[in-house]
Amino acid sequence: LAKTTQPISMDSYEGQEVNITCSHNNIATNDYITWYQQFPSQGPRFIIQGYKTKVTNEVASLFIPADRKSSTLSLPRVSLSDTAVYYCLVGNSGSARQLTFGSGTQLTVLP
Amino acid sequence: NAGVTQTPKFQVLKTGQSMTLQCAQDMNHNSMYWYRQDPGMGLRLIYYSASEGTTDKGEVPNGYNVSRLNKREFSLRLESAAPSQTSVYFCASRREDRNYGYTFGSGTRLTVV
Repeated sequence: LAKTTQPISMDSYEGQEVNITCSHNNIATNDYITWYQQFPSQGPRFIIQGYKTKVTNEVASLFIPADRKSSTLSLPRVSLSDTAVYYCLVGNSGSARQLTFGSGTQLTVLP
Repeated sequence: NAGVTQTPKFQVLKTGQSMTLQCAQDMNHNSMYWYRQDPGMGLRLIYYSASEGTTDKGEVPNGYNVSRLNKREFSLRLESAAPSQTSVYFCASRREDRNYGYTFGSGTRLTVV
């Protein structure tokens, strides 16, 4: 299973764009990259998933370079309610095994 | 559209007591998981079940047992609770298609005194 590395914490201000980068040097050919968001006292929630290039949904964008050894979650114009822990996971549907949730990145949005 | 339902939400146990945490999902997912989360840490896998009738150990299985009762239900049992098992427990289920996202329950906050 691919190991991921993320910053432990980040601070931002309301209205700014936030980019959180995840390193996954040993990603496998059939692995996808998935990001989750966790608020205090709640379970993680799926945000976005991608395989290569760029994926965008109503919440975020995910940028994946050609070598796929890293990925960047982009949150446009963050608000206080985006304060949460963000997890990057790498894996594929072919494996019934668990994926490893690291410690994630604590994003704090300041007024 | 309940998703993953966990009960109870809160529980206080005395050291040595036993209890079962219940989890049920209504999304027809094959895979189900139990995680624990300690303050300031990520989720650590306790046990998982790839399909009905199968269970496997995760990263931290000691002190726990599980039962995959049917496709919908996956329970976690603490036979003799210890203070080190004070944690928040999350159950999750997972799709197996291309978008293999997890769906998590709202968690059970367990305190062992």
